[in-house]
Parts: sequence; C-alpha cells; structure tokens
Amino acid sequence: GIQVEQSPPDLILQEGANSTLRCNFSDSVNNLQWFHQNPWGQLINLFYIPSGTKQNGRLSATTVATERYSLLYISSSQTTDSGVYFCAVETGGGADGLTFGKGTHLIIQP
Amino acid sequence: GAGVSQSPRYKVAKRGQDVALRCDPISGHVSLFWYQQALGQGPEFLTYFQNEAQLDKSGLPSDRFFAERPEGSVSTLKIQRTQQEDSAVYLCASSLLTSSGYTFGSGTRLTVV
Repeated sequence: GIQVEQSPPDLILQEGANSTLRCNFSDSVNNLQWFHQNPWGQLINLFYIPSGTKQNGRLSATTVATERYSLLYISSSQTTDSGVYFCAVETGGGADGLTFGKGTHLIIQP
Repeated sequence: GAGVSQSPRYKVAKRGQDVALRCDPISGHVSLFWYQQALGQGPEFLTYFQNEAQLDKSGLPSDRFFAERPEGSVSTLKIQRTQQEDSAVYLCASSLLTSSGYTFGSGTRLTVV
C-alpha cells in the first residue's frame, strides 16, 4: 500500500514562531487531507488539498502532486496550535479510505 | 446534526464481551468511514460505507468485527468476544462525497480488561 512519511516527528516552538510540516507519499493520490488532533483527541480537518495551495488564517498548505509531497505552514504559532498534525492520503476510487502518516507532534510553549 | 456524533464516549469491556459502538454522521453525508487509533499512532482504516452499502471492509482486523449502516445514516461497529488488543479509540468520519474533506467524530475509547 501507499507509504506516508511525515517530518519532523516532534517539534517544540515558542509562541509566535513559524513552522513548516512536511508530508511525503509514495504514490499518486486523488485525496490528501491535513488534520489537527488536539490534546483531547478530536481530529479537526484543516485542509482538503490533493493539489495546489490553500490558506485559512494563519495556516496554509501546498501540495505538489507531481513530486508527491505536501507542506503545512503555521505562522505566528499559538499555544492552542499544540497537538498532533496528521497528513492522510487516498490513492483512488474512494473505497480504500485514508492512509495516515504517523503525525508531527507540535508543542507550542508560551 | 452539526457534527459527527459517537457514543458511548468511553467503554470498558471485560475480555470476551461483545460491544456495539454507534456513529451518527452529518445529515446528508453519503460516505461513512470507521477507523481504529492505537495510542501514539495515526488512525487506521477499518471499513467504508456509501449510503447503506459497505463497499470496503478490508481493514477489519478479524471476523469478530462487524459494521452495518442499514438505512444509510447511523452506523454501528460491533466487536464480538473482545480481546485486549482491541483496546483503542474507534473513530467515525463522514463526508459528502468520497473525494472531499472528512469530518471526524470525537471517538469511542474502548478499554478491554
């Protein structure tokens, strides 16, 4: 099956800092999503971004499908940004579900 | 409803018991997915429904796991004869289309003792 690798695995930053999270995947995808899992376990969909660039407030994401990677940018980090960020992909047909990476554990210190 | 609702939020089962986990997706969402998340890991796909049809159950770990969505809305994940390795958070997600953003519920944390 498809492999999804996220980096870095852990990241500790001070409030106000910017960060870039990376997701590499091993095959063509027709669905790529970024999620934030907060400390209470809730998975929040940040972006549906199989290709191109999107922005939502302090967050933006870019997927370069031809090179099989996606980037999530977080600017002016806040303590509420802490948690685990997952990249998840789907290869086709919609019938095989999303394959998740192992996530990036982000801690924002005040 | 406004979001995906799962119940119960927590479930403790004795080894060998049967459990049933409920998912109430967003109204009108065609696609419904079940995932299993072990501690410190990413969610892993279990099964997928399009309306009432179960189109993929390749992720179900054994024949003790069974899922249904008889009327194309609420879904139930049933685990028979629970074992300790079944302890995990079970997440349900729904989406309007197969190729669109997913909305996850808060999950059911199952602990088998």
